[in-house]
Amino acid sequence: AQKITQTQPGMFVQEKEAVTLDCTYDTSDPSYGLFWYKQPSSGEMIFLIYQGSYDQQNATEGRYSLNFQKARKSANLVISASQLGDSAMYFCAMRNINQFYFGTGTSLTVIP
Amino acid sequence: DAGITQSPRYKITETGRQVTLMCHQTWSHSYMFWYRQDLGHGLRLIYYSAAADITDKGEVPDGYVVSRSKTENFPLTLESATRSQTSVYFCATWETSGRRNEQFFGPGTRLTVL
Repeated sequence: AQKITQTQPGMFVQEKEAVTLDCTYDTSDPSYGLFWYKQPSSGEMIFLIYQGSYDQQNATEGRYSLNFQKARKSANLVISASQLGDSAMYFCAMRNINQFYFGTGTSLTVIP
Repeated sequence: DAGITQSPRYKITETGRQVTLMCHQTWSHSYMFWYRQDLGHGLRLIYYSAAADITDKGEVPDGYVVSRSKTENFPLTLESATRSQTSVYFCATWETSGRRNEQFFGPGTRLTVL
C-alpha cells in the first residue's frame, strides 16, 4: 500500500513567488516522522526539513516550512521567495518505526 | 572526508553476472539503508541494517543480498543481475539521536544491466 502520495508530478513557479508542494501520508502508528528532500539534476539527495508526529508547531528551516495537518495526514512543503536554484525534484518521506518511505516526487521548475 | 562513500559510481554489467555495490560511512551511525531510484517510483527501500550483523528486508528485496560485518560497511550484492535491476542505487545512514532525525545519503551508484 502506498504510504506517501505526491499528486503533483510537475509544478511551475515564478521566481520570488511562494509555492506549495503537496504530500499526504498513511500510517496508523502514532509515532512517525516526516521529511522533505531535494534532488537537483546532479543527483544528490539534500535534506530540507523534518517534522515529528508529536511536534506541536510546524517546522521551519529558512525559506522552507512544513504545513503539518495531522488530522488530514498531510505534510505540505512551502517554499517562500523561490529562487532559480530551487528547480529540482522534491521528495516527501515518512519514517515509520525504522523504515523510510518515499513518495514519487514533484519536479519543480522556477521561471525567471 | 567524513560522510558516505559509494563505489563504484558507475557500473555496466551483463545479465547473469554478480555485482557488488559498496557503501562506507565514517560516522558510525547505527542504521544503514539501500534504496533504488527509478523514474516514477521515487526511492524504494531494498534492505536496511540496524547494526552490525542485523539486517532486514525492505520493500523490494528480491534479487539482492546484503551483509554488515562492520558498522561502517554495508555492501549490496546482486547475485545474478537482471535488466530490471538497472537503476540508481543510494546508500543512506540514519542518525537516530539527532534532532532532525534525518537520513544522510551517499552520492549514488548508477548501474546498467545489459
